[in-house]
Amino acid sequence: AQTVTQSQPEMSVQEAETVTLSCTYDTSESDYYLFWYKQPPSRQMILVIRQEAYKQQNATENRFSVNFQKAAKSFSLKISDSQLGDAAMYFCAYRSPGSARQLTFGSGTQLTVLP
Amino acid sequence: DTGVSQNPRHKITKRGQNVTFRCDPISEHNRLYWYRQTLGQGPEFLTYFQNEAQLEKSRLLSDRFSAERPKGSFSTLEIQRTEQGDSAMYLCASSWGQGATDTQYFGPGTRLTVL
Repeated sequence: AQTVTQSQPEMSVQEAETVTLSCTYDTSESDYYLFWYKQPPSRQMILVIRQEAYKQQNATENRFSVNFQKAAKSFSLKISDSQLGDAAMYFCAYRSPGSARQLTFGSGTQLTVLP
Repeated sequence: DTGVSQNPRHKITKRGQNVTFRCDPISEHNRLYWYRQTLGQGPEFLTYFQNEAQLEKSRLLSDRFSAERPKGSFSTLEIQRTEQGDSAMYLCASSWGQGATDTQYFGPGTRLTVL
């Protein structure tokens, strides 16, 4: 079974600075999908960014980018120019490409943005 | 597109009672997922529907849990004879099921407290 590990329970960053959240995963599959979701306090989870394993190019969405290292099974999220609204719990998630459509989540990283 | 909605948002019940939650997915989404999230943890997969067919169930889904999606639209999750260990946030997600990434969109969740 696949597992996802987020080794940083909490992180903080100064407003306008850059922060990187770590995620590693374990799988024997060669093709899969990786996601970062954001869960603000008392609000629903929203997708931040996604990466297909077969793509070598790292995904980017505005201030959010990933560093996908397939051989190392690492998928970190970089947030540039951090804003107060970025404060949230961030979850890394894995999905197989086949019929098993469920997401396997890490335990999350609580990000605090300091003014 | 009004997003995924869940009702009720909060439910407090006594041990041994039955509870039912409802999820309304994004219209035209043919896939619907239930997850459970305990405090400080990432969501864990419970079950998944494609249209009205329940295609996958996690080992977490004991015999006391039952889920339905009778017309391939909304879904209900029932927990019979609730236990204190059932206290958690129950999340629903839906997806279109097309394309490689098949992104899941989450609802706000139903927070269950079993006294």
